[in-house]
Amino acid sequence: LAKTTQPISMDSYEGQEVNITCSHNNIATNDYITWYQQFPSQGPRFIIQGYKTKVTNEVASLFIPADRKSSTLSLPRVSLSDTAVYYCLVGDVGDKIIFGKGTRLHILP
Amino acid sequence: EAGVAQSPRYKIIEKRQSVAFWCNPISGHATLYWYQQILGQGPKLLIQFQNNGVVDDSQLPKDRFSAERLKGVDSTLKIQPAKLEDSAVYLCASSLEANQPQHFGDGTRLSIL
Repeated sequence: LAKTTQPISMDSYEGQEVNITCSHNNIATNDYITWYQQFPSQGPRFIIQGYKTKVTNEVASLFIPADRKSSTLSLPRVSLSDTAVYYCLVGDVGDKIIFGKGTRLHILP
Repeated sequence: EAGVAQSPRYKIIEKRQSVAFWCNPISGHATLYWYQQILGQGPKLLIQFQNNGVVDDSQLPKDRFSAERLKGVDSTLKIQPAKLEDSAVYLCASSLEANQPQHFGDGTRLSIL
């Protein structure tokens, strides 16, 4: 099971692009990379999932280099409402599901 | 589509008492998860069901925690007897299949006095 490492916290300003990087040096061939967002008093919310290269949806982009040993969640033009904890998960079907401590993103006005 | 429903939203009990949480997953989701989230930490998986069978319960304290998913739909998680260290938010999630994106409820906040 690939362990993930993320920054504990990050600060940014409204309107900026925010990039959160997750390291997963031991990622396995069949592992997918999944990001969740969690606001206080709510359950985590799925943001994006990818396997390689780049994935984009209406809220974020996920960049995965060729060696797949890391991934970067990119949030374009953040607002105060993007203040949350962001979790990176790596795994395949049947793997133990492990949420780390995540990255606390704080958006400043 | 309706999301994952959990009840109650809050629960306060004294140690050594018992408590039960209920979860109604999204219709058609085969996989159901229960997590424990202690303040300041990420969610910890307690048990994972595939339909009504247990896939992973390796982190469930089986001497006091139990869970069931009769008929492969709703699920209940029980703690008996509760300890002070069980104070946490208990989250239920469901997904179409394992390793598909999980959809979470807003959890039950349990306080043990």
